Parts: sequence; C-alpha cells; structure tokens
Amino acid sequence: SQQGEEDPQALSIQEGENATMNCSYKTSINNLQWYRQNSGRGLVHLILIRSNEREKHSGRLRVTLDTSKKSSSLLITASRAADTASYFCSYTGGSYIPTFGRGTSLIVHP
Amino acid sequence: NAGVMQNPRHLVRRRGQEARLRCSPMKGHSHVYWYRQLPEEGLKFMVYLQKENIIDESGMPKERFSAEFPKEGPSILRIQQVVRGDSAAYFCASSLTGTEIGNVYGYTFGSGTRLTVV
Repeated sequence: SQQGEEDPQALSIQEGENATMNCSYKTSINNLQWYRQNSGRGLVHLILIRSNEREKHSGRLRVTLDTSKKSSSLLITASRAADTASYFCSYTGGSYIPTFGRGTSLIVHP
Repeated sequence: NAGVMQNPRHLVRRRGQEARLRCSPMKGHSHVYWYRQLPEEGLKFMVYLQKENIIDESGMPKERFSAEFPKEGPSILRIQQVVRGDSAAYFCASSLTGTEIGNVYGYTFGSGTRLTVV
C-alpha cells in the first residue's frame, strides 16, 4: 500500500502544550500537505511544503520535511481547545493522485 | 473565488435508490478528484477526471459507481442502487494541473457530501 501513516493515531494534551504529529510515506514526493478536519466537517488546508523545502511556518504551525527519512512532522505550538480535530497529511509523488494517511486525532483539553 | 463547491452537504437515501453527488471545481481548475471517507478512516481515492475524460478510476468500485465531468457543469459522482456500506463522506478536490511536474500548487477540497443510506 502506498498509503501514508500518521503517528500517533491519537493525541491528548492540555491547552498551552505543544502537539507534534508525524507522517511517513513510501514514495518520492513532489509536495506534502497537512489538513485539519473537525468532526463531521470538510478538510481545511493548513500548509503545503515542497520537496525541496525543509521547514515552513504558518502562525502557530511548523512543518518539517525530511525526504531522506520520508517523513514530515506538524508541530502546533501553544495549543488551544479549538485545535481539537483530526489532522491528515497528504502527498503527491510517483502518482499525481494525492495520497492520504489515516490521520491523527488530537484532543486539546481546556 | 468560491472554492470547491459540493452539494448537497447531506444526502439520505433508502437502499436501492440512486445517489448523485455534485462537485464544482475552483474557477480555472480542470482536474477533479473524488475521495471517500468511511467513519474514523482516512480518505481513499476513487477517481480522477479532467473535462470529458476519466483519467484514473482505479479506486472506484467496479459496479454501481460512475463519475463524469462534462464540458459544462459540475462533476457528478453517481451511485446506483445504494447499500448501507455506501454510507460515507464523499469529498471532491480540484487542482490547476494534474501533472507530476506542474502540480506544485496543491489541491483544494470541498466540504464534502455526507451520504447516509437507510
């Protein structure tokens, strides 16, 4: 299977703490994106990182990409209860078709 | 730019009925992708279309499911004779270009259609 894998599957933290989620993939990639999905809602695009980039920031989000390890991480700093959601990585590579991981379910307790 | 528009947001069908899900891509986007998300699961690719062409339907069930993207109008995902196992969220995404080299802008997703088969 070419499906990516997020790790951990579930993460429970207190408000104010940092949350780190990882994504591993198996093919070479063009770019990798992170999405958020609130329960019962659609996907919200968070950040895109290209294969020639190693790190990107957007507000409280920091994404890293290590193509040698075929992995990416999403760090949410100073988490808030509103960050509670599922987070998915998606990438395109050998196929033009975006491949998704199973997601990390994040719960931030107020 | 209204983004990718999917409708309806929620659809309830009885077993054996037909379900039609619509997706209007972002303005200027000519590549459409359909995904299905079962409860507590990630998104699974179903079909990739360009205007008037099916490019890749490797993720589409062989029976009862079909998709089209006509020259004019939205892309349609059609499920005939729905069964309870078809209950899922169906997402559509669009992109400016689908080529490996050209697709550096990422994908934009719609809010999905939640199909419930009763």
